[in-house]
Order: sequence, then C-alpha cells, then structure tokens
Amino acid sequence: ETGVTQTPRHLVMGMTNKKSLKCEQHLGHNAMYWYKQSAKKPLELMFVYSLEERVENNSVPSRFSPECPNSSHLFLHLHTLQPEDSALYLCASSQDRAVQETQYFGPGTRLLVL
Amino acid sequence: AQKVTQAQTEISVVEKEDVTLDCVYETRDTTYYLFWYKQPPSGELVFLIRRNSFDEQNEISGRYSWNFQKSTSSFNFTITASQVVDSAVYFCALSDAYGSGNTGKLIFGQGTTLQVKP
Repeated sequence: ETGVTQTPRHLVMGMTNKKSLKCEQHLGHNAMYWYKQSAKKPLELMFVYSLEERVENNSVPSRFSPECPNSSHLFLHLHTLQPEDSALYLCASSQDRAVQETQYFGPGTRLLVL
Repeated sequence: AQKVTQAQTEISVVEKEDVTLDCVYETRDTTYYLFWYKQPPSGELVFLIRRNSFDEQNEISGRYSWNFQKSTSSFNFTITASQVVDSAVYFCALSDAYGSGNTGKLIFGQGTTLQVKP
C-alpha cells in the first residue's frame, strides 16, 4: 500500500533544531492523523484533522505543531524537542472519521533526538 | 472504557507451525469495529482486516483466519503454516463511537511480536 507517504524516513536532530515531518496521502481521504509509537508502548494518537480542521489534540506538548494546508498533506513541525521524543511517528488517513472507516498508515519517520 | 488487550508480548514459532494471536477488547458500545494490522520491521502498519460487531462469521484469507466471538469479547488471529515473512508485530485495534455520535476513535493493543524461525 503506497497510498500514504512520509518524509523523511529517518531524522536525527539536536534539541535546539527545528525540523518538519511531511505526510501525503493519495487516497482522496478527508481525515488525517499523527501517531507516536515509542518503544514498548502502544500507539498514541497525537492529532486528528478532518477536512483540514484540527479536531483533536491529545494533550500534546506545544513543541509539536501540526499543520494541514489541504486534505492531502499533513505536517508536523518540531522544535526544542527532548530525547524522550525519540520515536516512530506515523501518519494515517481515512475516508472520514466515521466509526467504520479504516485508517491507512504511512511508513513512518524514525526520529532520534540527541 | 474502551480497551484492547493483547496478552502475548512475544511469540516464537518454527516455520510451518500454526500460531494464534489473541485479542480481547472492552467496549460499552453496541456498534463497533475490530481491526488487525501488521507492522513489519520497515515500520509501516499494514491493514489486514476489519470486522463489525454484527458479523460474527469467521473469516479466512489464504493462510490467515480470524475468529470473532462476542460472548468472550475476543477477536483472535491465526496464521496457518507460518512463514519467515510473517515475522512482524501484530496489532489488534478497536473503533467505537461511544459518546461521540458516529465519530470513531481507534484504540490499539500493545501488539504481539511474532518471530518465525526457519
């Protein structure tokens, strides 16, 4: 499934850097998601966008800043991160947010914060 | 509260063995959906199956089969004649709309790491 792409695939950054993760979906979906997957933890939902509007923010620190310029693109802007933010960041999309909709995931960005 | 439990953290089998991955869920909703995803070492979560709460028929897709039992709130996944390429982390997930109309929220289990040895 190559309907959801993410760049970069790997990222190493210092705590004072600013970087952005990009997600693009080619499925014509209206909802997009950011998840964080840390070692030995379940996937944590970070943000949800529906029709380009942020509809959910699960108490994510302000050093993570999402942006959804259109229904196909989703960004996660990173600044002043901490080493504990090192994780796999996964983007997903679904047709909409209805309970029956399947979320399709991208390959993720493996982030290491030094 | 919604919850998904995958009690098996790691399973190791030898190629060609059958293996069952357990999934138990909790929900107060009567309409809900269950999913299985596969996460190979590359990291991407690959969608495998979706079942709704009104359809308890078991499903088979090649070497994969799923057993949904509402009475025990379980949605187990069996791989028959396992292969090395089946090695991955498998996640069970629940989507229900409890208290939010028809808006779903996906709740994942902790995942089961399956290692298939040649």
